[in-house]
Amino acid sequence: KAGVTQTPRYLIKTRGQQVTLSCSPISGHRSVSWYQQTPGQGLQFLFEYFSETQRNKGNFPGRFSGRQFSNSRSEMNVSTLELGDSALYLCASSEGEPSSGNTIYFGEGSWLTVV
Amino acid sequence: TQLLEQSPQFLSIQEGENLTVYCNSSSVFSSLQWYRQEPGEGPVLLVTVVTGGEVKKLKRLTFQFGDARKDSSLHITAAQPGDTGLYLCAGTTSNTGKLIFGQGTTLQVKP
Repeated sequence: KAGVTQTPRYLIKTRGQQVTLSCSPISGHRSVSWYQQTPGQGLQFLFEYFSETQRNKGNFPGRFSGRQFSNSRSEMNVSTLELGDSALYLCASSEGEPSSGNTIYFGEGSWLTVV
Repeated sequence: TQLLEQSPQFLSIQEGENLTVYCNSSSVFSSLQWYRQEPGEGPVLLVTVVTGGEVKKLKRLTFQFGDARKDSSLHITAAQPGDTGLYLCAGTTSNTGKLIFGQGTTLQVKP
């Protein structure tokens, strides 16, 4: 069974631009969650989707948004990029909602550098 | 507020030594996972523990879930350079249902 797939793996953007990251969950998994990882802050929760509905949201500004499609694939968008948005963005999927104790499985991440 | 405290944050040891990483909280968890992450890659699941007092072994790695389900430990026997990486614990709290991560333990095993 294929794992969680994230695209693109690496990208460089300029301040003020916007970026869209894509995530394909493990087949059969209906929940997708997104995390931002930086050396200083560790793993920070962005949002969680289950059956196309956002179930939980972390403490990030409105520039960060996401959505989930009917096939469980998910995208996250960051608008008006800032230098501080440079990070590894991780997508994780689980069969059910993580809040129900379902184990989450991570993709390899998308490295975003903002210059 | 960081509800899941991992210690130590950094650990540098010689090949062949043993080590233990701790994950502690005042919250009760319905389940707890341990992940290992290599630079530039996503975290890879090592184990999930769900029962208080549970002990799971994965080759040289031993995972323990506290009786009260508030803490967990990861013990590595005879560490090897291939064990080098960031170890993360993550737990789903019983009262809020939120999944929270520890800050991670960076392990370096020198040959």
